Amino acid sequence: EVQVVQSAGGLVQPGGSLKLSCTVSGFLFSASAMHWVRQGSGKGPEWVGRIRDKSNNYATVYAASVRGRFTISRDDSKNMAYLQMNSLKTEDTAVYYCTFNGFDYWGLGTLVTVSS
Amino acid sequence: DIQMTQSPSSLSASVGDRVTIICRASQNIGTYLNWYQQKPGKGPKPLIYSISSLQSGVPSRFSGSESGTDFTLTITNLQPEDFATYYCQQTYAAPITFGQGTRLDIK
Repeated sequence: EVQVVQSAGGLVQPGGSLKLSCTVSGFLFSASAMHWVRQGSGKGPEWVGRIRDKSNNYATVYAASVRGRFTISRDDSKNMAYLQMNSLKTEDTAVYYCTFNGFDYWGLGTLVTVSS
Repeated sequence: DIQMTQSPSSLSASVGDRVTIICRASQNIGTYLNWYQQKPGKGPKPLIYSISSLQSGVPSRFSGSESGTDFTLTITNLQPEDFATYYCQQTYAAPITFGQGTRLDIK
């Protein structure tokens, strides 16, 4: 059975940083690209970015709204993916999901609130 | 960026009805079209991938089809648990984009 565990989010002040993690079990983690998707309250999902697997050189790509501020990484030895969020803005407030295997599997999401 | 335009934005129907939701892509996306169902307080639930393939465990009353750059999600014999918001998504090219959603509620 595939299990996905996301770290807790939290309240961060504008300009602050936060790192989210996503731990996968029951799946060949190392072979799958990992994506992050977020969803603000009352809004539709917004793709944040993705990291490919080792065979694709761990290539990353990001949405324009987060490019230069967010960084996706992974540790295949731990079956974990990360989303490092810097220079956070109030508009980054959302539930953040990790998802993989072509968006077949999703974490339960974690709430990040950016507010003073 | 590829724009995904869903219609209608909201829809009212009754149990037992047949409903259709349309998603139009701003350019060719091949077969890279997924559909999701989302209920309040929950994350998106994958329903259909590659236009018409049902995810494991999804009832056969859900179906997907396409005509050019228009994609359709059809739900026949609506059940009470189907009232939710539905999103399409293209995975043809980054940035991956979603439709704005269709809220399906009970008439």
